[in-house]
Amino acid sequence: AQSVSQHNHHVILSEAASLELGCNYSYGGTVNLFWYVQYPGQHLQLLLKYFSGDPLVKGIKGFEAEFIKSKFSFNLRKPSVQWSDTAEYFCAGLYGGSQGNLIFGKGTKLSVKP
Amino acid sequence: EPEVTQTPSHQVTQMGQEVILRCVPISNHLYFYWYRQILGQKVEFLVSFYNNEISEKSEIFDDQFSVERPDGSNFTLKIRSTKLEDSAMYFCASRGRTFDGYTFGSGTRLTVV
Repeated sequence: AQSVSQHNHHVILSEAASLELGCNYSYGGTVNLFWYVQYPGQHLQLLLKYFSGDPLVKGIKGFEAEFIKSKFSFNLRKPSVQWSDTAEYFCAGLYGGSQGNLIFGKGTKLSVKP
Repeated sequence: EPEVTQTPSHQVTQMGQEVILRCVPISNHLYFYWYRQILGQKVEFLVSFYNNEISEKSEIFDDQFSVERPDGSNFTLKIRSTKLEDSAMYFCASRGRTFDGYTFGSGTRLTVV
């Protein structure tokens, strides 16, 4: 079955630390990958997406993610986090093209200490 | 920036009662979705809706659930007889004809007591 896994449930970092959140997806043919962020009390916002082309994708707020096909991974990175990055981060995959439905990972809660 | 609006933000209901969760998708979007997240678990797909009919639904979306787009702007999720295990955050999403990702609402937290 198609699935997306996020192995870190809760990550705690100090400001200026580097961030990497893991995401793995299952094989299922064509897959488009996304990272969403949910700040406390707000809606899910798209951080970045990968459809094809350059496997290093840059998103908003200084985030980036790298699609590594051989590892079925799409990890999210940020070189230096800020307190305002405290949020929950969701990796999601869309299998089978635009007619499919997003499949989400379980989410990773990021807490950044000032 | 256009938004997907969900109301209410939090609803508490007694087991066995009917609830209707409301969503106003982005006005020119064509595809509509409901997802839910039980506390501590994954965000799960419930149903997708296009051209005034359900295009796909998950195993979770049983006969207790229904969706409707009654007036061309609202998109509602009805749970006919709520169970304790229906307690979750329910997210509505929409997208346009060209797929560029979904736009999500801020969610409705449903608590069944």
